Amino acid sequence: RKEVEQDPGPFNVPEGATVAFNCTYSNSASQSFFWYRQDCRKEPKLLMSVYSSGNEDGRFTAQLNRASQYISLLIRDSKLSDSATYLCVVNNVDTGRRALTFGSGTRLQVQP
Amino acid sequence: ETGVTQSPTHLIKTRGQQVTLRCSSQSGHNTVSWYQQALGQGPQFIFQYYREEENGRGNFPPRFSGLQFPNYSSELNVNALELDDSALYLCASSSRGGTYNEQFFGPGTRLTVL
Repeated sequence: RKEVEQDPGPFNVPEGATVAFNCTYSNSASQSFFWYRQDCRKEPKLLMSVYSSGNEDGRFTAQLNRASQYISLLIRDSKLSDSATYLCVVNNVDTGRRALTFGSGTRLQVQP
Repeated sequence: ETGVTQSPTHLIKTRGQQVTLRCSSQSGHNTVSWYQQALGQGPQFIFQYYREEENGRGNFPPRFSGLQFPNYSSELNVNALELDDSALYLCASSSRGGTYNEQFFGPGTRLTVL
């Protein structure tokens, strides 16, 4: 079983739609959580950190449920420019190592 | 732009050869992590360097090795290349004590092994 699991998609949605991505993680000791965005053949870029209380950044809302080991990302009013792969990422700080563990990503295609 | 640079951008090698990839970290960052991203997968952690010492390693064989220099730049070396080593190699820099260990990625080196 992978440590971070995501639905690979693709999610094909029209402009203006609301879309939600989910992610589960297996290591209960995970301490930090992120969503990264990766455009085709580019490097991953931090979209937002995910806090226990949930957090919002414009059209993007992230939620964390530690009891269920579940992370979500909601995108409202989708734009064509939101088309990308969204990577769910956890950080396990053990013995000082600060490595990020990535899911395989969920591909989003926003259509006109 | 993150300020993290990598060289070369693309590389083609044959099986059995050796390769060295380079990364310059963002100013003020003292930690460099290396990741391998195969097609259709998320990045996989190779190892991390902090103050010139390896500080954690993922599930990669010893033929993957690295260095970090006093200016915090880093190299990834891969010996005895195999076809499955074809991937995008990403380095990420960060700073110990930074908020939530935010890591900033370079543009990557795309390695093709024939």
